[in-house]
Order: sequence, then structure tokens, then C-alpha cells
Amino acid sequence: GDSVTQMEGPVTLSEEAFLTINCTYTATGYPSLFWYVQYPGEGLQLLLKATKADDKGSNKGFEATYRKETTSFHLEKGSVQVSDSAVYFCALSMEYGNKLVFGAGTILRVKS
Amino acid sequence: NAGVTQTPKFQVLKTGQSMTLQCAQDMNHEYMSWYRQDPGMGLRLIHYSVGAGITDQGEVPNGYNVSRSTTEDFPLRLLSAAPSQTSVYFCASRGTGNNSPLHFGNGTRLTVT
Repeated sequence: GDSVTQMEGPVTLSEEAFLTINCTYTATGYPSLFWYVQYPGEGLQLLLKATKADDKGSNKGFEATYRKETTSFHLEKGSVQVSDSAVYFCALSMEYGNKLVFGAGTILRVKS
Repeated sequence: NAGVTQTPKFQVLKTGQSMTLQCAQDMNHEYMSWYRQDPGMGLRLIHYSVGAGITDQGEVPNGYNVSRSTTEDFPLRLLSAAPSQTSVYFCASRGTGNNSPLHFGNGTRLTVT
């Protein structure tokens, strides 16, 4: 079946450091890809998405590019802030956003 | 705008007890779904609905029932709770259109002893 694999955390960075969270996927077709973020005590929020190969999703300084050749959708940010501390989930959908398949999540901790 | 509202926020059950987790959305979304979140496993789809009167199973449906009598509400029922159902449960809804994001509630933390 379809699946998503994320790098294990926690990832601990100092403020203003560069962030990369790796995400790779396995799918039978051409999925839409998503990054969701979960702040403590809250539900998940959509951070960014890409719906076809070579698309770049971006939001709040975060970016991810849909790489079909490597089946990857790595999340990057050039300079993290303490407020970015959260759990980040990579996900795919074969139905434009219905029936999401999630990775295990990566905890990010940013220290001042 | 309330979005997706889940109740209760916390619940403790004994093995064999039954209960219903409530989910309501005020965005007129056709698609609604239930996920459970467990450490190291991300979120897994339990059941989903593409509209009133229509439900279907997700990845981990055993031990759970759902119904969708209205567009707004999508309750999740545990008929006989088991310790393996200890988890955080999230309800989510989505509107039509390819660019509509999935909106999540704040979750229900369930403990079964």
C-alpha cells in the first residue's frame, strides 16, 4: 500500500539554524503531497502542499519540492525560530486531500 | 468561526465500556474523517464519509462504528473499549475542490484501563 517515511526525531536546532526534515513516499500512482504541523495541545494544520512533480510548496518560510525521480518531499527552512518548535508530519493523498496517509511525524525543538 | 469541534477533550474508560466521541463542523464540508494518533505511527485513518448517509472504512476500522446522518456531525462509537484503543483521536473535514485543505479538530485523548 501507499506509505510515507520521515526522518526520526527529535531534531534539536539553535535559533536561526537551517532545517531539513526528510520525507520519502511510496505510492501506486501520482499522489498529492503535504506537510502538516502540530503545535502542543492542538490539531494538525496544513503547512504546505504540492500536487504534481517539480511543484514547490511554500509557507511561512518553509519550502518543499515534489521530486518524482527520488519520490521525496523534503521540508526546509533557512532560519528556524523558537516558535517553529512543533511536530511535523509528511503526508500523501491519492484523492487530492481525502484519505491522507501520514508519516510517523518528526519532533522539532528550537533552542534560543 | 468554530471550525471542527470535538468533545470531550479527555476521557477515561474501563475495558468493555462504550462511548461516543463527538465531532461537528460548521463549514458545510462534505468530507469528514476520523484518525487515531499513536506514538511513532503518525495518524491512521479509522473511518471516513464523503457526505450524509455515506461512510466507509479506513486503515484501522475494527472496534469502531460511525454514522453520518447530517452534514455537520460525524460521531465515532466505541462499542466495547479495549486498552489497544488508548490513543488521541482527531476528527477532520474538508470541502470540495482540489485546493481545499483538511481541517482538524483539537483531538480527544482517550485512555482505556
